[in-house]
Amino acid sequence: DAGVTQSPTHLIKTRGQQVTLRCSPKSGHDTVSWYQQALGQGPQFIFQYYEEEERQRGNFPDRFSGHQFPNYSSELNVNALLLGDSALYLCASSSMGTGGKVDYGYTFGSGTRLTVV
Amino acid sequence: AQSVTQLGSHVSVSEGALVLLRCNYSSSVPPYLFWYVQYPNQGLQLLLKYTTGATLVKGINGFEAEFKKSETSFHLTKPSAHMSDAAEYFCAVRGPDFNKFYFGSGTKLNVKP
Repeated sequence: DAGVTQSPTHLIKTRGQQVTLRCSPKSGHDTVSWYQQALGQGPQFIFQYYEEEERQRGNFPDRFSGHQFPNYSSELNVNALLLGDSALYLCASSSMGTGGKVDYGYTFGSGTRLTVV
Repeated sequence: AQSVTQLGSHVSVSEGALVLLRCNYSSSVPPYLFWYVQYPNQGLQLLLKYTTGATLVKGINGFEAEFKKSETSFHLTKPSAHMSDAAEYFCAVRGPDFNKFYFGSGTKLNVKP
């Protein structure tokens, strides 16, 4: 059973460019969350997608946007890249429980390491 | 507000010794608490979780954690460290809307032979 798949694994971009990261959730999961993990820090919540809509957003600027497709896969887009956007970007999938609440712990992908130069 | 504090960014133990990684949380609602492990260049793997019920929670690889409401703590322990336990460990608490997690800054565990 495939877990969460992220692509690419590594990426190098120049300041000002745009980047798209991709995530396929674990089989049976319908919710995708994105986290940014800067070097030496814990993951920070960017946003979460369920039913192709952004359900919750963390404290990230509008340069960060996302999308969820009917097959539950998701993309994270970052525009106008800054040096500070260099980080490991983690995708986590889960199953939305009753009442719109996630009942289970996330399953994380291995991440995409983004380096902005 | 939700937050997690992990005391000690680096912990070093000898193989076979007790592992104790500390986590204190702040939560405006009854907390759901988690411990994750991250090996180099990998994502996070769930070790164990506390939602409701028994306060002593057992996880994978011999780890366990105890939820202590009075101390707002959820410390992770393992009786005997193994070399393969060397990794970074993250404590997390779910937010009041249950849709996002708040992570601590992590503790790197080093196991000496």
